[in-house]
Amino acid sequence: QQQVKQSPQSLIVQKGGISIINCAYENTAFDYFPWYQQFPGKGPALLIAIRPDVSEKKEGRFTISFNKSAKQFSLHIMDSQPGDSATYFCAARVSGSARQLTFGSGTQLTVLP
Amino acid sequence: GAVVSQHPSWVICKSGTSVKIECRSLDFQATTMFWYRQFPKQSLMLMATSNEGSKATYEQGVEKDKFLINHASLTLSTLTVTSAHPEDSSFYICSPLAGGQETQYFGPGTRLLVL
Repeated sequence: QQQVKQSPQSLIVQKGGISIINCAYENTAFDYFPWYQQFPGKGPALLIAIRPDVSEKKEGRFTISFNKSAKQFSLHIMDSQPGDSATYFCAARVSGSARQLTFGSGTQLTVLP
Repeated sequence: GAVVSQHPSWVICKSGTSVKIECRSLDFQATTMFWYRQFPKQSLMLMATSNEGSKATYEQGVEKDKFLINHASLTLSTLTVTSAHPEDSSFYICSPLAGGQETQYFGPGTRLLVL
């Protein structure tokens, strides 16, 4: 029940295209859903996060879409750039004393110039 | 975002030796510290959670006597890999969290190679 399933495992997009990464969860107690970007040899960096009381959140070229009934959320990267090439992780967390993040398996995004 | 540092950024050691990794939260007080391990092309795996001044809680399968965690202050936590073996070679990442803080930040990671 703690799993977060992420797809696809890898994604290749042309420059200027839209990159879409999907995640699904089972635990309905999750109430915080962040996305992290990680470059090789670096720690993950927070991109954008959402709570289940909203269906969409946009920050610049990055948008999270959230479907509470389907228990799914996705990251959309508009106008993808070669500099966006990285590994992206979705995550989920239950508020409370533990507050540990449960991570998806990651998506390696390559944006071709 | 918050500033988190780790030292060293990479370390090579011989099998059987111990290695200490430091994690510092530079601009906030971390009441909770998470330590993760990441193998190549894999996701982050939580190793242990520690609260300042308390003993760490280890995830299933993580040996507490091998991975010693100290969280003696609100700005510093250390992970010591004792009697390291080649299978301990990995990328270790800390993540400090302040009480009531929603956003979780991560350190830059420490690459450990055990020969």
